[in-house]
Amino acid sequence: DGGITQSPKYLFRKEGQNVTLSCEQNLNHDAMYWYRQDPGQGLRLIYYSQIVNDFQKGDIAEGYSVSREKKESFPLTVTSAQKNPTAFYLCASSRGVGETQYFGPGTRLLVL
Amino acid sequence: LAKTTQPISMDSYEGQEVNITCSHNNIATNDYITWYQQFPSQGPRFIIQGYKTKVTNEVASLFIPADRKSSTLSLPRVSLSDTAVYYCLVAPMNSGYSTLTFGKGTMLLVSP
Repeated sequence: DGGITQSPKYLFRKEGQNVTLSCEQNLNHDAMYWYRQDPGQGLRLIYYSQIVNDFQKGDIAEGYSVSREKKESFPLTVTSAQKNPTAFYLCASSRGVGETQYFGPGTRLLVL
Repeated sequence: LAKTTQPISMDSYEGQEVNITCSHNNIATNDYITWYQQFPSQGPRFIIQGYKTKVTNEVASLFIPADRKSSTLSLPRVSLSDTAVYYCLVAPMNSGYSTLTFGKGTMLLVSP
């Protein structure tokens, strides 16, 4: 059963804490992406990766970091430098950058 | 990047055909047009993609005029479950992150 998974579904962060959101895909896609969505807004690109061991900043990368050590995995770390992290985070993958994207179910991050 | 413009919201009734138009006056020769559907608290889902003329699948049709400066997503006989946000995305294949910008989309509300 192919697809893209994200965990956890909900995540709570304390002030000054780093948290990591998981994203895994078994679609054999080369490209993976992280988006942030705020209420009533569209999706904004945080980071994307075209291939293993490579990633590029999107429009709102400040306060976030990623790694792409395996083709299947693209974890996102929300650092303490991100002052307003409360949002819905979506991970996606595609065969190549610009091609049809397949999205995970999302992780909702809340700050305590 | 071809900027897109969509209506913020649309209303319809069950059983009607719904047409959502997206304007993209600056579309480039190698740009494709892709539509996604998003339900609350879920990741967007691919609906349909096209380059020119008409494309039809089991879910929707996409009409693209000869000048390609706009496109229309057509949903036949909508049901309550079609209530969602619909995003139009214009981007070339394998071109990099600058093309991965989703707008605010069109909120479609289907009533009984």
